[in-house]
Amino acid sequence: QKEVEQDPGPLSVPEGAIVSLNCTYSNSAFQYFMWYRQYSRKGPELLMYTYSSGNKEDGRFTAQVDKSSKYISLFIRDSQPSDSATYLCAMRSHNQGGKLIFGQGTELSVKP
Amino acid sequence: DAGITQSPRHKVTETGTPVTLRCHQTENHRYMYWYRQDPGHGLRLIHYSYGVKDTDKGEVSDGYSVSRSKTEDFLLTLESATSSQTSVYFCATHLDGGSTDTQYFGPGTRLTVL
Repeated sequence: QKEVEQDPGPLSVPEGAIVSLNCTYSNSAFQYFMWYRQYSRKGPELLMYTYSSGNKEDGRFTAQVDKSSKYISLFIRDSQPSDSATYLCAMRSHNQGGKLIFGQGTELSVKP
Repeated sequence: DAGITQSPRHKVTETGTPVTLRCHQTENHRYMYWYRQDPGHGLRLIHYSYGVKDTDKGEVSDGYSVSRSKTEDFLLTLESATSSQTSVYFCATHLDGGSTDTQYFGPGTRLTVL
């Protein structure tokens, strides 16, 4: 079983929809949680970063971490065609330096 | 892009051939990483470096070696390429002491082993 599980999709939604992307994990030592966005044929770029539990909001994006359930989410409000990309969750524990464990990535398509 | 370039961007090679991929950064970041990305697996760490001549293995290091003789360059070598090493390879750097855990990724190298 993988340490981090993410539904690969693909997920297709109409423009303006609320999108929910999720990851589950098994390692209770994970404390740092990230969401990366990857456009087709590009490298991933950091979208959201959260330490420990709680919510973080940045514009149309909200990241949630529930450590008790070992579950993290990314919500996209008022989704736009420009949000079409693959979204990867990533996480690490405190004593692993910068080494990240990534989910498989969810491919999102927002239709006009 | 944090000044990360990868070369070559595309390569087709034959089984048994040695291949070297290069990652070059201009940001003076201490940490550098090599990942491979395959459908259904996300990004998997191959090797990483925490300084010049300081490297360590990642999750999927078999069949790969790395070298870092200068801060700005991190080389990934496939000693004898196999078809299972067909993948997209990404280099990343990490800001030393950065609190946001931002890893900056290069544009990737698409490698096909026939």
